[in-house]
Amino acid sequence: GAVVSQHPSWVICKSGTSVKIECRSLDFQATTMFWYRQFPKQSLMLMATSNEGSKATYEQGVEKDKFLINHASLTLSTLTVTSAHPEDSSFYICSAREAGDWTDTQYFGPGTRLTVL
Amino acid sequence: KNQVEQSPQSLIILEGKNCTLQCNYTVSPFSNLRWYKQDTGRGPVSLTIMTFSENTKSNGRYTATLDADTKQSSLHITASQLSDSASYICVVSGGPGTYKYIFGTGTRLKVLA
Repeated sequence: GAVVSQHPSWVICKSGTSVKIECRSLDFQATTMFWYRQFPKQSLMLMATSNEGSKATYEQGVEKDKFLINHASLTLSTLTVTSAHPEDSSFYICSAREAGDWTDTQYFGPGTRLTVL
Repeated sequence: KNQVEQSPQSLIILEGKNCTLQCNYTVSPFSNLRWYKQDTGRGPVSLTIMTFSENTKSNGRYTATLDADTKQSSLHITASQLSDSASYICVVSGGPGTYKYIFGTGTRLKVLA
């Protein structure tokens, strides 16, 4: 149980284009989803927290207009990297908290490798 | 400042040997501490979770300890296998009302045949 999937697993795009990454909770409803970015040999850095049906909360230094997050349902959150540039190349990981879970357990997805040429 | 520090940064051991990874934290208030294993190019996978009152938690060949007084934790891996090669991340969660994880920088473990 508690499986989180991401799609695509990897994507290569040209500079200036937009890329959408999907995060799905497969066997549970997720009221809260988190988006992380991870650079090589570094740990995960929280980008934003999204609650179903409301606007995402972005961490300091993360451009909300560049990283658009939508959490329209209890099983799906999307991250859109708009006008991507090479410096946006990174490993993006989402996680989800189960609705009604009194603990703070996050279930992580397998990640999406983004390469911007 | 809430921080989680891990040591060593990297470690190389021979297959079959044991090893211990360290985690020191300054997070307050404290809710729980987790150890995750992250294979290269994959998302983190939970190994153990410990609350304030727990001192030891085992998951197969993985044994985590927690000393809430000194704010230290360790992850002991017994009889290492090649598949243990990965990054091990210590994650601390704050008190009620915050669901953010505070991540350590990780220890990269390489197990050699």
